[in-house]
Amino acid sequence: GIQVEQSPPDLILQEGANSTLRCNFSDSVNNLQWFHQNPWGQLINLFYIPSGTKQNGRLSATTVATERYSLLYISSSQTTDSGVYFCAAYSGGGADGLTFGKGTHLIIQP
Amino acid sequence: NAGVMQNPRHLVRRRGQEARLRCSPMKGHSHVYWYRQLPEEGLKFMVYLQKENIIDESGMPKERFSAEFPKEGPSILRIQQVVRGDSAAYFCASSPGQSFTEAFFGQGTRLTVV
Repeated sequence: GIQVEQSPPDLILQEGANSTLRCNFSDSVNNLQWFHQNPWGQLINLFYIPSGTKQNGRLSATTVATERYSLLYISSSQTTDSGVYFCAAYSGGGADGLTFGKGTHLIIQP
Repeated sequence: NAGVMQNPRHLVRRRGQEARLRCSPMKGHSHVYWYRQLPEEGLKFMVYLQKENIIDESGMPKERFSAEFPKEGPSILRIQQVVRGDSAAYFCASSPGQSFTEAFFGQGTRLTVV
């Protein structure tokens, strides 16, 4: 099945900083999603982005399907951005569910 | 439009007991997925169901675990004779179509086996 790798595994930033999170995947994808798991464990949908670029406020994402990677950009970080960011992909082969990366643990310090 | 609803949020079971986790998908969604998250790890796919059908259970342990999504009512993930290693967060997701459509997750059920 598809492999999903995220980097960096951990990231500590000061409030107001910008960051880029990366997701590499091993096969062509029919579904690529970014999630934020907040400190209470909730999984929040950020982007459904199997290809192209999307923006939502301070967050944006780009997936370059031909090169098998996706990037999540967070600008002007706030303490509420802290948590774990997961990338998850589905390629159409193997299991029918999403394959998750191990996540990027982001800490925003005031 | 309510999101994916899971209950209970927290469940404590003694070793050997049964655990039943419930999931009501978003309105209009007929595809349900269950995932398990161990501490400090990403989510792992367990099973994919549509109404009255198990489509893919390749991620489900072969013994003690079962899932159903009846014609009426929520999807149920059942774990029989729980062991300490079953302690985890179990998430349910739903989507309007197959796995290439956007999935939305519930808040999860945190199972603790004592």
